[in-house]
Order: sequence, then structure tokens, then C-alpha cells
Amino acid sequence: DAGVIQSPRHEVTEMGQEVTLRCKPISGHNSLFWYRQTMMRGLELLIYFNNNVPIDDSGMPEDRFSAKMPNASFSTLKIQPSEPRDSAVYFCASSWYKRGLAPSYNEQFFGPGTRLTVL
Amino acid sequence: AQKVTQAQTEISVVEKEDVTLDCVYETRDTTYYLFWYKQPPSGELVFLIRRNSFDEQNEISGRYSWNFQKSTSSFNFTITASQVVDSAVYFCALSLGGYNKLIFGAGTRLAVHP
Repeated sequence: DAGVIQSPRHEVTEMGQEVTLRCKPISGHNSLFWYRQTMMRGLELLIYFNNNVPIDDSGMPEDRFSAKMPNASFSTLKIQPSEPRDSAVYFCASSWYKRGLAPSYNEQFFGPGTRLTVL
Repeated sequence: AQKVTQAQTEISVVEKEDVTLDCVYETRDTTYYLFWYKQPPSGELVFLIRRNSFDEQNEISGRYSWNFQKSTSSFNFTITASQVVDSAVYFCALSLGGYNKLIFGAGTRLAVHP
């Protein structure tokens, strides 16, 4: 079974350009998470979805960042306009979650990440 | 506030040594979950273990073992007879009872030298 798929694996762009990162979660999973990893800030949760609905986007740095999940098998994270400080590795993760099912502790499966460099 | 602290930034050992990675967490919730993930040099994050707050039993899996102590809010990870392939960054994470939102520690970089 395929794991979480992310594309592209590497992206180099110039400041001011729009960047779109893509994620395909594991089939059957209903929760999807976007994380950013930098040396300075470590692993930060940006946003997560449950059943395609954004639940918490408090980690999104600013309005330049947006995320969508149009269906259960696809999500995008967009940065417009990009800035050099956005350079990081962006991970997508998915898990299965059912509200009310206690204890709910399904682990998140991570994609390989997208290494973004903004010049 | 919820927080995970991994005080050891880097650890360097020689192969076959035992090594313990510390993890201290903070939460006021009574239901929570603790995880360890491994990030090898290739960059992906690999799930190692999950533990819920109601189960303080220690766990052993091969050369890996985990010690969960609620009294000290710690969830430490020990690698016995370390190997070069264990070299990686190890993350401890806390998940509260909601949507599995993970709060990660800063990570401990383990270098195992031959």
C-alpha cells in the first residue's frame, strides 16, 4: 500500500513567486496534517483537516499561506507570494480518526517531505 | 499549556553503547498520547511507538525500550547496544485527546560512531 505521497520533492523558486505543494494521503485516512520543519523552529503544525474540513489553522504563519483539501485524496499548501524565510521542509501526514472513539491515538504517517528553497 | 521538552540536543556514542533519550512533557489533560518518531538522514519521519496516558507499562521492542512515568511526566527512550544505523534525529511528541494534533519536542540528534 502506498504511503503518503508529496510532490514535488524539491522546489527552488524566487522570492515573490507562488508555490504550491501537493499531498495525497493514505487511502482510507480521514485526517491530514501539514507541518513545517526548520532548524530554528523545529517541527511546527501549520494546519490540519478532518474529513476534508480545516479544523485548526492557527499554525499558519500569515495570510500568504493557504491550504485546501477539495477531496479525501488530495490537499494543497500554497504560498503566495513566497519569501526566503519560507525556506523549509514541508511535511504532510495522514491518520485515521473517529470522534468519540476512545482512546483515539492513531499514529500519523508522514510523507517524504518537500524541501522548499526560496531565493 | 502543552509542551514537550527534549533537553539533549545532541548525543554521541560509540557503537554497542546503550543510550537513553529523555523526553519530558507538560499537559493538564488526563487523556493524552505520547509518541516517538525517528528521522534518519534521508529525512522521512518514521513512527516508533505510541503510548496512552492510562498505560504506564514499559515496552520493549528488540533493542528499543521505553520508560513511561506519569509521576515525573517523562517518556524516555533507550537504545541498547546501539548501531550506526540508529544515527538519526529522534522526536518525542504529545497528542491530546482531540484530533491527534501532535506537539513535537525539539528533537535529539543521535550519532553512533563505529
